[in-house]
Amino acid sequence: NAGVTQTPKFQVLKTGQSMTLQCAQDMNHNSMYWYRQDPGMGLRLIYYSASEGTTDKGEVPNGYNVSRLNKREFSLRLESAAPSQTSVYFCASSEVSGPWGYTFGSGTRLTVV
Amino acid sequence: AQSVTQLDSQVPVFEEAPVELRCNYSSSVSVYLFWYVQYPNQGLQLLLKYLSGSTLVESINGFEAEFNKSQTSFHLRKPSVHISDTAEYFCAVKADKLIFGTGTRLQVFP
Repeated sequence: NAGVTQTPKFQVLKTGQSMTLQCAQDMNHNSMYWYRQDPGMGLRLIYYSASEGTTDKGEVPNGYNVSRLNKREFSLRLESAAPSQTSVYFCASSEVSGPWGYTFGSGTRLTVV
Repeated sequence: AQSVTQLDSQVPVFEEAPVELRCNYSSSVSVYLFWYVQYPNQGLQLLLKYLSGSTLVESINGFEAEFNKSQTSFHLRKPSVHISDTAEYFCAVKADKLIFGTGTRLQVFP
C-alpha cells in the first residue's frame, strides 16, 4: 500500500546512546516532516524538508539532526539520547504548498531510560 | 504565525449522544483547516478539511465541521456517536506548514 513507512516501531535506548529513525514515502511528495507527540502537547514539529536537498528547523529541533537522503527518504537522528526525548515520533509527507493535508506514518515509540 | 486552540482536553459522552469538539485558530493570513483522528496506538488519519466554498464540510463517517471566519473557529460535530468513535482528535491549520492543536480525547461510553 502507498504511504509513509517508519522504522523501527519501538525502541528503548539508554541515556547517551544514539540512533536514527528512518522514514520513506512512495507518493512522490516533495515535502517531509518529523513530529513528536507528547501527552497534552499535541504534535510538535521537529524538522522539515520542503524539498529534496533542503532541511529546516521546526518548533523543537534541539537534540536532533535530520538528513533528506533523496526524495523518498528523510531520517531523524538522536546523537545523544536524553530521557526528555521519550516520545512517539511521526514522519509525514505532503506536497509543498496548497490545500493538501499530510500523510502520516504509523509512528515510532521511543523510550530513553 | 498561526496557532490552534482546542479548548477541551477530554470529552466523555454516552453512545448515541451528540458531541462537539471545539477548535479556535489564530492567523494573520488565510489558512486551510483540518481535523485529524488518531485511534489508539495508530498514526493520524485525515478526517475532513476546509479549503474554500461551503463553510460546512462532512466526513464519510458522519462527522461535520463548520468554518466560522468571524469567530475563527472550526468546531467538529457528530449528531450521534458510536463506541468506535473513541479516539483523539486534532484540529490543524495550514498556511505553509501544518500546525496542530493539543488534541481532544473523545471517550464514548456504552
